[in-house]
Amino acid sequence: QVQLQESGPGLVKPSQTLSLTCTVSGGSISSGSYYWSWIRQPAGKGLEWIGRIYTSGSTNYNPSLKSRVTISVDTSKNQFSLKLSSVTAADTAVYYCARGGHYGGNSVTYYFDYWGQGTLVTVSS
Amino acid sequence: QTVVTQEPSLTVSPGGTVTLTCASSTGAVTSGYYPNWFQQKPGQAPRALIYSTSNKHSWTPARFSGSLLGGKAALTLSGVQPEDEAEYYCLLYYGGAQVRWVFGGGTKLTVL
Repeated sequence: QVQLQESGPGLVKPSQTLSLTCTVSGGSISSGSYYWSWIRQPAGKGLEWIGRIYTSGSTNYNPSLKSRVTISVDTSKNQFSLKLSSVTAADTAVYYCARGGHYGGNSVTYYFDYWGQGTLVTVSS
Repeated sequence: QTVVTQEPSLTVSPGGTVTLTCASSTGAVTSGYYPNWFQQKPGQAPRALIYSTSNKHSWTPARFSGSLLGGKAALTLSGVQPEDEAEYYCLLYYGGAQVRWVFGGGTKLTVL
């Protein structure tokens, strides 16, 4: 069974860059028609999609975060990563990584299935 | 700015049926928005329930079903169990020049 695990600093100073890694186990990050996403959730609030990457390197980002976000993939380590620059207190949240995928030719189906347990990142001096 | 709207809260009795909906500020939700539904309990990561409108994952209980209803995506729980009390989120796909996914604000479902 596929498992995802987020890792990275739990505390980041304002104006610095938040960096997180998601390690995928139980399967190759390169196999199948998958995309790998980052999602966050401030305490007591809803979910926000940050962006996704295919193992080809193709990315899509949330327009509201696009200027500050970079998602990359390292297939040799079975990992993908998130960098969010110029952070403020508003970026304090639990950050999740998740797997998505698609199948079908003329009738495409998109799905999300496996999620990591999440990691809390606090932005504070 | 695209907004996806869900009922903030709903209450259902055990054994009852409830429908949660998911609307888009851009207009009617169709299958081309590939609606996904997630369940989240306190302190836990979200769990995927439904994808592409009505498809269930292998772990999705039979009492959960997805559909399109009146221009919205819908999640129906039939024969609600106490353990179904949770927050439910929908997720819609927006294609075009700026491909993105957008979550709804979530529905807090109380089983009482």
